Amino acid sequence: GAGVSQTPSNKVTEKGKYVELRCDPISGHTALYWYRQSLGQGPEFLIYFQGTGAADDSGLPNDRFFAVRPEGSVSTLKIQRTERGDSAVYLCASSPRSGKSSYNEQFFGPGTRLTVL
Amino acid sequence: QQQVKQSPQSLIVQKGGISIINCAYENTAFDYFPWYQQFPGKGPALLIAIRPDVSEKKEGRFTISFNKSAKQFSLHIMDSQPGDSATYFCAASMRGAQKLVFGQGTRLTINP
Repeated sequence: GAGVSQTPSNKVTEKGKYVELRCDPISGHTALYWYRQSLGQGPEFLIYFQGTGAADDSGLPNDRFFAVRPEGSVSTLKIQRTERGDSAVYLCASSPRSGKSSYNEQFFGPGTRLTVL
Repeated sequence: QQQVKQSPQSLIVQKGGISIINCAYENTAFDYFPWYQQFPGKGPALLIAIRPDVSEKKEGRFTISFNKSAKQFSLHIMDSQPGDSATYFCAASMRGAQKLVFGQGTRLTINP
């Protein structure tokens, strides 16, 4: 079946602009995660959704970053007033379910490469 | 306490050799330790994972060794092949916390 898809695959924007990055998780997966991967580094957690609600947004670096998942499926990561330091690959992952007693494999998408000029 | 430290940063191994990548953690609340493989332009893919109730887990040519007292775990790739050339990340998470804390990555090159 289809994996996690992310659009666009590449986004080039100018400093100060607003961008939206989209994630389509695997059908039926209730948990969705956003990570940011800078060049030569491991992914860093941004936010985690269980269903429609953000269960953990502790990784969002500041209030310029916001994410939504209004119907519990597709998610959008929104970045306002972009800065050059926001340049990175933004990864989305989904997993089938989530709970306090479970460990679930996170399936990653190919990422969106954001470049802020 | 949330960090996972990974070494080496890069590794070159001859075809057929054993590749070994090491990770260390501080947070004793971590109780799930996966390894991910990432090819250029792709997202990370789960390779193998271990929980701290066992000291070793093997799947094909891939083995995780886990030392709970030392708070260290390692990935061994036996009979390394050129197709194994990729970047490998260790990670850790806590039950119920869901988010993964990743190491810095190891760029593995297998020479034919």
